[in-house]
Amino acid sequence: LAKTTQPISMDSYEGQEVNITCSHNNIATNDYITWYQQFPSQGPRFIIQGYKTKVTNEVASLFIPADRKSSTLSLPRVSLSDTAVYYCLVGLSGYALNFGKGTSLLVTP
Amino acid sequence: DAGVTQSPTHLIKTRGQHVTLRCSPISGHKSVSWYQQVLGQGPQFIFQYYEKEERGRGNFPDRFSARQFPNYSSELNVNALLLGDSALYLCASSLSLFSQDPRPQHFGDGTRLSIL
Repeated sequence: LAKTTQPISMDSYEGQEVNITCSHNNIATNDYITWYQQFPSQGPRFIIQGYKTKVTNEVASLFIPADRKSSTLSLPRVSLSDTAVYYCLVGLSGYALNFGKGTSLLVTP
Repeated sequence: DAGVTQSPTHLIKTRGQHVTLRCSPISGHKSVSWYQQVLGQGPQFIFQYYEKEERGRGNFPDRFSARQFPNYSSELNVNALLLGDSALYLCASSLSLFSQDPRPQHFGDGTRLSIL
C-alpha cells in the first residue's frame, strides 16, 4: 500500500477556499486516490475519488498532476461545518483501506 | 436509501468479557469490512468479507473474529476483552466485487466500545 503524507493540521476562515495536498510518491499504476471526511464520533464519509487529472463533485474538487505523485483536495468557500479530519487514501478500495492520521481542518469565523 | 447501520451505538464491558457488534450494509453491497479506531488515530483495518468468505485480515489477535451472513450483514466478535480494545468500531460496505475494484467503501457511524 502506498504511503501518504499530508499536513497534520490546517486552519482557515469561513468563506475561504481550502486546499489540502497529499503526497504519495509510491503510488502504483492501478491505485486510485480517495478522500474521506470524518467528524468526531462519526464514521468517515466518502468525499471524492479520482485516478488522474481533475474530478469535481458537489462537495469538492480533486486535482491530480500527470505524475500522480501527489493530489490536492480543494474545498470551496468552507463553512464552520467543514471542521473535520480529512484523510487521503491511495490504493484500491476493494481491499483494506490504509488510513493515516489525516489532516485536522479547523474553520473559524 | 439507508446507509450502513451498526448496533449498538455504545457499549460498556469489563475486562475478560466478550462482545458482539453488528453491521447491516447498504442494500446491494456484498462486501463488508471492519475497522478499529482508537482516539486520535485513523481507522485500522480488521477484517473484510465478501459473499460470506473472509477476503482479508489485518494485524489483530485471534481474539477478534467475524462472519458474514447470507443477507450480507456481519458480526464482529471480540473475546477476552482488554482495556486496549476500547475504541470506535466501524463497519464499511461497498459494491466492490474483487480486491482490485476501486469503488469506495461507505462507513457506518460505529459502535463506541468502552472497557472498564
